[in-house]
Amino acid sequence: AQKVTQAQTEISVVEKEDVTLDCVYETRDTTYYLFWYKQPPSGELVFLIRRNSFDEQNEISGRYSWNFQKSTSSFNFTITASQVVDSAVYFCALSEYNTDKLIFGTGTRLQVFP
Amino acid sequence: GAGVSQTPSNKVTEKGKYVELRCDPISGHTALYWYRQSLGQGPEFLIYFQGTGAADDSGLPNDRFFAVRPEGSVSTLKIQRTERGDSAVYLCASSQQGNQADTQYFGPGTRLTVL
Repeated sequence: AQKVTQAQTEISVVEKEDVTLDCVYETRDTTYYLFWYKQPPSGELVFLIRRNSFDEQNEISGRYSWNFQKSTSSFNFTITASQVVDSAVYFCALSEYNTDKLIFGTGTRLQVFP
Repeated sequence: GAGVSQTPSNKVTEKGKYVELRCDPISGHTALYWYRQSLGQGPEFLIYFQGTGAADDSGLPNDRFFAVRPEGSVSTLKIQRTERGDSAVYLCASSQQGNQADTQYFGPGTRLTVL
């Protein structure tokens, strides 16, 4: 069965610290997609990244980077030099080959203090 | 262009009443999804439309929940005989084609409170 686990419920850091949000997934499919979304206090889910199961290259976008490791079924998200505006709940999600729905983790609340 | 819009943003109703929640997807997106998010949880899938038809309604919790998309654009989620446990944020998302590779773009949600 498919499942996404975000073990960190809440993380607090001080501005400019680096922080890594963990995501572990379970699936029997060989073809699947992984996503990260940000949910700021306003409530709207904002898409950050999509990665397919055949592409294990790490990705960097500005202060954001993602580390995908199939061997450990993990898709971790790192924010470098965090800022107060990064404060939000971050969700990891999985989409399997023959389904269209997203399976979300329970989210990690990140608080960045000035 | 405009994103996914949802109305109302907030809905307070009494137990036993009927409610309708509306979603207007991104123009040109053929796929539309409804999710429900309870406090402190991730969104949970309810139903998925491809065009006018419900391609997957496996997430609807019971027969009090129903959704339509008559013209393949706007969708309405309908909840009959509401219960306190239905209180949650109802999220709508749309994607261009509706396959698993597509990115789903979410609306701001409707917060439903059942008293």
